[in-house]
Amino acid sequence: NAGVTQTPKFRILKIGQSMTLQCTQDMNHNYMYWYRQDPGMGLKLIYYSVGAGITDKGEVPNGYNVSRSTTEDFPLRLELAAPSQTSVYFCASSPIVNEQFFGPGTRLTVL
Amino acid sequence: LAKTTQPISMDSYEGQEVNITCSHNNIATNDYITWYQQFPSQGPRFIIQGYKTKVTNEVASLFIPADRKSSTLSLPRVSLSDTAVYYCLVGDINPGRRALTFGSGTRLQVQP
Repeated sequence: NAGVTQTPKFRILKIGQSMTLQCTQDMNHNYMYWYRQDPGMGLKLIYYSVGAGITDKGEVPNGYNVSRSTTEDFPLRLELAAPSQTSVYFCASSPIVNEQFFGPGTRLTVL
Repeated sequence: LAKTTQPISMDSYEGQEVNITCSHNNIATNDYITWYQQFPSQGPRFIIQGYKTKVTNEVASLFIPADRKSSTLSLPRVSLSDTAVYYCLVGDINPGRRALTFGSGTRLQVQP
C-alpha cells in the first residue's frame, strides 16, 4: 500500500493564481483531512470529509474549497492565491477520527 | 472540543526516560486521548491512543489518571532519533463528530 500520497511536493504560485493540491489514499478510509502548517506552528484543520460526497469546514476554510467524489481522492482547491496561504499542506486519512495517517506534504509559496 | 495544554519544549539526554504531560480539563465522556510525533518536513505519525488507565505499545506508554483531566506520554530510553514535536489530541472517535484539533505541541530535544 502506498498510504497517503500528495502531489505536487513543491509549488510556487503568483498572487491571484489558482491551483489544486491532490491527495489520494489507498487504505479505504472513510475520513480524510486537509491541514496547513505554518513555520514553527501546529497543524490547523482546513476541511475534512467523513465519506464520499460529504465535506465540512475546519478551523481555517476561507480561501479553500474541497470535493470528495470518491473514497480515495480528496483534492484541495486554492482560488485566488494570497501570500497568507504560503504554508505546508498535509493531507491525512483515517479509519476512525483519532488515528490519522498523513501524507508527505506539499510546500506552497505564494509570491 | 477539549482544549489541551502541553509544555512548549523539553530537553533530555540519550538513554533517559522522557515524560510529557498534557492537560485536558474539559475532556468529555466519549473522548479518547491520542499522541502524535512529527519530524521536520514530515507529516505527524500516530504513536499511541488511550481512554483510561495505562496503554503500552512497542514505542511508548500512555498514563491516564482516573479523572482523565491529564495524560502523560512516556518514552523509555530516548535516542537522538526521538527528537521531534509531540502533539496531544483529545476527541471523540464516533463517526460524524467534528475532527480533532492539533495544538502547538511539545518540542523534544534529545542530546548525546
